Amino acid sequence: AIVLNQSPSSIVASQGEKVTITCRASSSISSNYLHWYQQKPGAFPKLVIYSTSYRASGIPSRFSGSGSGTSYSFTISRVEAEDVATYYCQQGSSNPPTFGAGTKLELK
Amino acid sequence: EVQLVESGGGLVQPGRSLKLSCAASGFTFSNYGMAWVCQAPTKGLEWVASISTGGGNTYYRDSVKGRFTISRDNAKNTLYLQMDSLRSEDTATYYCARRGPYTTDSYFDYWGQGVMVTVSS
Repeated sequence: AIVLNQSPSSIVASQGEKVTITCRASSSISSNYLHWYQQKPGAFPKLVIYSTSYRASGIPSRFSGSGSGTSYSFTISRVEAEDVATYYCQQGSSNPPTFGAGTKLELK
Repeated sequence: EVQLVESGGGLVQPGRSLKLSCAASGFTFSNYGMAWVCQAPTKGLEWVASISTGGGNTYYRDSVKGRFTISRDNAKNTLYLQMDSLRSEDTATYYCARRGPYTTDSYFDYWGQGVMVTVSS
């Protein structure tokens, strides 16, 4: 199975700050198969970015993604209070689909 | 509006069975692959099983192969997960999730609210 290593495991940011999360895969992944989810406390996961860089329906433009091969990143250009959540990367390049361990974003 | 509503969770003893259901609405259920994803308390997300649009193809994570069965009834717009020989390590919230609209899509674009399964004596 492809292992996804997310870093950092937690971030403390101020409102308006830019934050970036990295997801590194144990094997190369096509960019079509790397996705990002947001899970707010007590809630179900929500798709934010699919196929590396495409924003899901209704997702604000401050969220973006990039990457290729084994290294991918997820960026919030200006963090807002409502962005407090845990973010997960997920690969669907090979079975089984796997998720990163998550990055918990908190506000200062 | 796409809705996925899980049911059937609860407390069950080790070795016993449970069947989860996921009622889908707001989209043409038979056109989408579906999946179950779980999350143990305070842990991350783990894919459990997937099923193709017609139900003819199913896939499982190794730890549930031979114990869990994913199925669907397109006439009832419902996804199922039959969980047999349950173990304490199966304790988790189970989410029903819809795959993207194309057969090559590997992301989950809609999720249910989740249902808790607790395996304990």
